[in-house]
Amino acid sequence: AQSVTQPDIHITVSEGASLELRCNYSYGATPYLFWYVQSPGQGLQLLLKYFSGDTLVQGIKGFEAEFKRSQSSFNLRKPSVHWSDAAEYFCAVGAREYGNKLVFGAGTILRVKS
Amino acid sequence: ETGVTQSPTHLIKTRGQQVTLRCSSQSGHNTVSWYQQALGQGPQFIFQYYREEENGRGNFPPRFSGLQFPNYSSELNVNALELDDSALYLCASSDRAGANVLTFGAGSRLTVL
Repeated sequence: AQSVTQPDIHITVSEGASLELRCNYSYGATPYLFWYVQSPGQGLQLLLKYFSGDTLVQGIKGFEAEFKRSQSSFNLRKPSVHWSDAAEYFCAVGAREYGNKLVFGAGTILRVKS
Repeated sequence: ETGVTQSPTHLIKTRGQQVTLRCSSQSGHNTVSWYQQALGQGPQFIFQYYREEENGRGNFPPRFSGLQFPNYSSELNVNALELDDSALYLCASSDRAGANVLTFGAGSRLTVL
């Protein structure tokens, strides 16, 4: 069965510092991988996605993620965090065999200190 | 291009009651999925509708049911509400051709007392 693990429930970084949010997945087939962001009281906004090809994908708001098949990971990174990045981040996995169903991790809450 | 809109945004029900949540999909999207997000958890897949038929279901009991209409809008119905049904219910639409790229609405926050 598909599963997604986000090991860090909370992360606090200083504004301007770099960020890495971890995501590990368990899936037998070739996965589709996503990162979504959720601000309080809001729905989910897609940051970036990986379907195939280049393992380093660029997203919106200066985020990027790297797919590492050998480590079953899809970590999200940003070189310099802004206070407006404070939100909850969700990693999700899907696959063609499962249609449009996504399996989400439990999320990582990012706090940004000034 | 309009996004995904959901109504109502908040509602309070009591145990045993029934609730209907509504979703209008993004223009050009023909597939609607529903997710339940309990407090402190990631969203969990309830079911998906495509061409007015259920097209996949997660681990939810039959008292969770849905509909999709010819204009691709959708309803989620939950009967015999339980306290654990308290959650944010998210609707997401997608273009079948754009496999797995979901556009989410802001959700309907259901509280069951």
